[in-house]
Amino acid sequence: KQEVTQIPAALSVPEGENLVLNCSFTDSAIYNLQWFRQDPGKGLTSLLLIQSSQREQTSGRLNASLDKSSGRSTLYIAASQPGDSATYLCAVIFQAGTALIFGKGTTLSVSS
Amino acid sequence: EPEVTQTPSHQVTQMGQEVILRCVPISNHLYFYWYRQILGQKVEFLVSFYNNEISEKSEIFDDQFSVERPDGSNFTLKIRSTKLEDSAMYFCASSQTGYSAETQYFGPGTRLLVL
Repeated sequence: KQEVTQIPAALSVPEGENLVLNCSFTDSAIYNLQWFRQDPGKGLTSLLLIQSSQREQTSGRLNASLDKSSGRSTLYIAASQPGDSATYLCAVIFQAGTALIFGKGTTLSVSS
Repeated sequence: EPEVTQTPSHQVTQMGQEVILRCVPISNHLYFYWYRQILGQKVEFLVSFYNNEISEKSEIFDDQFSVERPDGSNFTLKIRSTKLEDSAMYFCASSQTGYSAETQYFGPGTRLLVL
C-alpha cells in the first residue's frame, strides 16, 4: 500500500532556530511531492512542489529536498518565527495516479 | 490572486439526510478534486474529475457519493444519505491541467457535522 509518513508528529522550538521536518514514502515511483501548511481549522496552503526529476526547491526561508531512491523528503525552515507555527503536511502523487496521498503532518510550535 | 472557494463553511445535518457541498475552482483550471479530513486524521483523497468524468476515486468514494459540474463554474460533492462517520472537513482542490508538475490548490474547506 502506498503510504506517507511524517516524523516527528510534533515539534517545539524557540524562535530563531533552524529545523528539519521529515517525510518518507513507501514507493519511489512518484510524480511529485508537495509540502503544505495547515493552520488550525483552516485549509491547506501549498508551500513547495518538487517534481520527481528535481532534488530540491526553495522559497524564502523554506527549502525542500527529495531523495526518491530512499523514499524521503525533508523540509528545512531557516530562522523560525512564531508565525511559522502550524501543521506541515507532506503529500505525494504516486505514478499512474492523480491523488495526493498525505502524511499525518508535523505540528510545529515556535515560541518567542 | 485566484483562489478556490467553498460553501458553506459549516454544515450540520441529521443522519440519513442528503447534503451537497459546493466549490468554485480557479477559473482556468480543468482538474478538480475532493478530499476529506476526519478530525485528528490524515487528509484523504476522495475523487478527481476531468472533462466531466471521474478520473480516479478512492475506496471511500462509494455509491453514497457523487460529483457533478452543473455549470461552468461550480463543482459539487453530494452525499446521498449521510452517516455519523461522514463528519469531517471536506476540501475541494483544483489544478490547471492535472499534469504531474501541477500544484493542487485547496479551498478553505466545509466542516460537515452529522448528528
